Amino acid sequence: QKEVEQDPGPLSVPEGAIVSLNCTYSNSAFQYFMWYRQYSRKGPELLMYTYSSGNKEDGRFTAQVDKSSKYISLFIRDSQPSDSATYLCAMRALSGGSYIPTFGRGTSLIVHP
Amino acid sequence: GAGVSQSPSNKVTEKGKDVELRCDPISGHTALYWYRQSLGQGLEFLIYFQGNSAPDKSGLPSDRFSAERTGGSVSTLTIQRTQQEDSAVYLCASSLGVGKLTEAFFGQGTRLTVV
Repeated sequence: QKEVEQDPGPLSVPEGAIVSLNCTYSNSAFQYFMWYRQYSRKGPELLMYTYSSGNKEDGRFTAQVDKSSKYISLFIRDSQPSDSATYLCAMRALSGGSYIPTFGRGTSLIVHP
Repeated sequence: GAGVSQSPSNKVTEKGKDVELRCDPISGHTALYWYRQSLGQGLEFLIYFQGNSAPDKSGLPSDRFSAERTGGSVSTLTIQRTQQEDSAVYLCASSLGVGKLTEAFFGQGTRLTVV
């Protein structure tokens, strides 16, 4: 079993839909959580990061962390065709553990007009 | 530019040849990571450099892979006697260092094809 599990999709939604992307993890040392977006043939770019349970909002994006369930989510409101990309979750320890981020496989999102 | 720069962007090599991939991190970033991304797979950690500390090589898949970082800046990933299973996108990232709120910024990657 991988330390970070993420459904590869693809996830296809119509424009304007609310998108929910999720990851589960098994390592309780993970305390710092990140979401990256990767367009085709590009490097991943950081979207959001958080190190506490609860919600963090940035525009149309909301990151949610539930440490008790070892489950994180990224919500995208009013999805646009330009949001079509692969979304990777990543996580690492803050202290006393490895600082090297561990990534999920990524979920391919397709937003169609 | 101010981002992480990788070269070449694409590399086609014959099986058995050696290849060198280069990464220029963001100026001032002390941490540098190499990852490999195969088709349909996530990012596989290869090696990590932090300042003057000994690198973490725990992710290197075999002794054909090696990396160095000169002067705490530019890094080179070398793959000797390439095999077809080495075909992948090799991504480099850098960050300010360890501790809180130090996210990694990625380059565009080098797409390696071994024929």
